[in-house]
Amino acid sequence: DAGVIQSPRHEVTEMGQEVTLRCKPISGHDYLFWYRQTMMRGLELLIYFNNNVPIDDSGMPEDRFSAKMPNASFSTLKIQPSEPRDSAVYFCASTYSGNTIYFGEGSWLTVV
Amino acid sequence: QQPVQSPQAVILREGEDAVINCSSSKALYSVHWYRQKHGEAPVFLMILLKGGEQKGHEKISASFNEKKQQSSLYLTASQLSYSGTYFCGTAAGAGGTSYGKLTFGQGTILTVHP
Repeated sequence: DAGVIQSPRHEVTEMGQEVTLRCKPISGHDYLFWYRQTMMRGLELLIYFNNNVPIDDSGMPEDRFSAKMPNASFSTLKIQPSEPRDSAVYFCASTYSGNTIYFGEGSWLTVV
Repeated sequence: QQPVQSPQAVILREGEDAVINCSSSKALYSVHWYRQKHGEAPVFLMILLKGGEQKGHEKISASFNEKKQQSSLYLTASQLSYSGTYFCGTAAGAGGTSYGKLTFGQGTILTVHP
C-alpha cells in the first residue's frame, strides 16, 4: 500500500515567494496532520483535519501560513510570503480514527 | 505543553540495553513512540493507552505510568539498526478535538556502535 505522499521533496525558494506543499494521505484515513520540524523547536503540530474539516490550527505560526483540504485525498500547506525562518522540514501525516499516525517522507524547505 | 525526554543522548555498544523516559505535566490518554533516522520520516514503534498493558515489539518494549504521567521505552540487546532519534508523542484525550493531537518531546539521540 502507498504511504503518505508529499511533494515536493525538496524546495529552495527566495524570500517573499509563495510556497505550496502538497500531501496525499493514505486512502481511507480520516485525520490529516501537518507538522514542522526544526532543530530548535523539534516537531510541532501546525494544523490537523478530520474528514477534511480543519479541527485545530492553533499551531499555525501566523497569517502567512494557510492549509486546505478540498477532499479526502489531498491537502496543501501554503506559505505566502515565505521568509528564511520558515526553512524546515514539513511533514504530512495521516491516521484512521485509530492510533498509528503515519508520516510522509517530508518536504525540505529552504528559504534564502 | 511539550513532554520532557531523558536522557538527551545515549551511546551504546551492540548488545547493551537502554531506557528512554518521557514525562508530561498533563494528564495523558496515550503515549506514542517513534524512531527517526537522519533525513527520514518518523516511524511508528508503539502506542500505549491509558488503562492498557505494557507493549512490546521485538526487543523494544514500553510502559506507561498513568498516575505519574510518564512513559519509558526499553531497548534490550541493542542492534546497530536501533540508532536514531526517539520521540515520544503525548495525547491528552481521546476523540473530539484532542484525538491524534500529539505533542512531541525534544527527542533522544541513540547511537549504537559495533
